Amino acid sequence: GENVEQHPSTLSVQEGDSAVIKCTYSDSASNYFPWYKQELGKRPQLIIDIRSNVGEKKDQRIAVTLNKTAKHFSLHITETQPEDSAVYFCAASQGGATNKLIFGTGTLLAVQP
Amino acid sequence: DVKVTQSSRYLVKRTGEKVFLECVQDMDHENMFWYRQDPGLGLRLIYFSYDVKMKEKGDIPEGYSVSREKKERFSLILESASTNQTSMYLCASSLPRGMNTEAFFGQGTRLTVV
Repeated sequence: GENVEQHPSTLSVQEGDSAVIKCTYSDSASNYFPWYKQELGKRPQLIIDIRSNVGEKKDQRIAVTLNKTAKHFSLHITETQPEDSAVYFCAASQGGATNKLIFGTGTLLAVQP
Repeated sequence: DVKVTQSSRYLVKRTGEKVFLECVQDMDHENMFWYRQDPGLGLRLIYFSYDVKMKEKGDIPEGYSVSREKKERFSLILESASTNQTSMYLCASSLPRGMNTEAFFGQGTRLTVV
């Protein structure tokens, strides 16, 4: 089955700096890669996703890149703000009829003011 | 506004008890999931259902079972609760295909087994 690895487990940046979180997946059949943000005491919420027919996607300060050959995908946050502090999870799924979603272990991002 | 609701926010049970965690979604989603969240281990999939009465094991199904008798409701059952099942449990639902396959999560149930 699919295995998703995520690094780093913790990341501390200064406000205004960029943050990068990296994930690798094992199943070449996976074709959908979402990122979720979980603030303290709250439920995970989707912030951006990418499908395997696209190499990069951007939404304001957040971007995701995908390298299918290497089975890598990354989340990039620019101009970080204190409200970006949260746990971020990457995930992978094969889509299709069932869309079973497998998550990475999470990255705790702390943005220091 | 989409909603996934879990029946309890906090639950304390004794070792050996049979425990039911309930999840209801109002979005007519085919897919429903149960995850367990532990520090440093992320969200681990326990069970997955892609239709009424249909289920698949996730990565850590041991000690758990599930029931999906109606499309909107997905129950997680701990047959005989043990202390190593103390955790945060998250339910989620999604559409199986198409452009919008976002998974929506419930608020979580923090289960403590004593």
